[in-house]
Amino acid sequence: GAVVSQHPSRVICKSGTSVKIECRSLDFQATTMFWYRQFPKQSLMLMATSNEGSKATYEQGVEKDKFLINHASLTLSTLTVTSAHPEDSSFYICSATDRAWNSPLHFGNGTRLTVT
Amino acid sequence: AQTVTQSQPEMSVQEAETVTLSCTYDTSENNYYLFWYKQPPSRQMILVIRQEAYKQQNATENRFSVNFQKAAKSFSLKISDSQLGDTAMYFCACPRAGGTSYGKLTFGQGTILTVHP
Repeated sequence: GAVVSQHPSRVICKSGTSVKIECRSLDFQATTMFWYRQFPKQSLMLMATSNEGSKATYEQGVEKDKFLINHASLTLSTLTVTSAHPEDSSFYICSATDRAWNSPLHFGNGTRLTVT
Repeated sequence: AQTVTQSQPEMSVQEAETVTLSCTYDTSENNYYLFWYKQPPSRQMILVIRQEAYKQQNATENRFSVNFQKAAKSFSLKISDSQLGDTAMYFCACPRAGGTSYGKLTFGQGTILTVHP
């Protein structure tokens, strides 16, 4: 079945540094990937839609300069949290679909980011 | 705007019993899919079941079934013969773009289900 790999699973960084999170579709091509954010015991909130070969589409209230998204190939999207601050600490999850009719969304295992 | 509401923050059930998680949604789309996802302590999002809105028959996947009432915009999940491994947070979700677009999902607030031995 379709698999989405996300790396790293956990990262701790110092305030002011940048962190890159990778999301890969392992056995299918994903022209579109999605980045969600989840606080403890809360729902998933869509941050942005990552489009292969074009600019990402950000949801209202999400700072595009803070959360840089690059989707350079059909199997890889990256999210870079720039100049991270403690309030950016959260669980970030990517997802992708192979776009076939009736194909569900597949999620990565998530990345727990802690900014100290 | 599409909204998804789960009114039960927490639920508990005894092993082998049945539990129903409620979900209501609001969409202006005519054709769409609805989903239930499970998020165990590992935090991996796992698709439990999905329902196509134009199908009147309720979806069933082994011990999981839904009660889909389109007019009432209600989409509840029934778990039969509950197992300890069913302990997780459950999310109801509706695609924001409607139709066959699965990517932009709007999730409900989630229901924490605990199965007791």
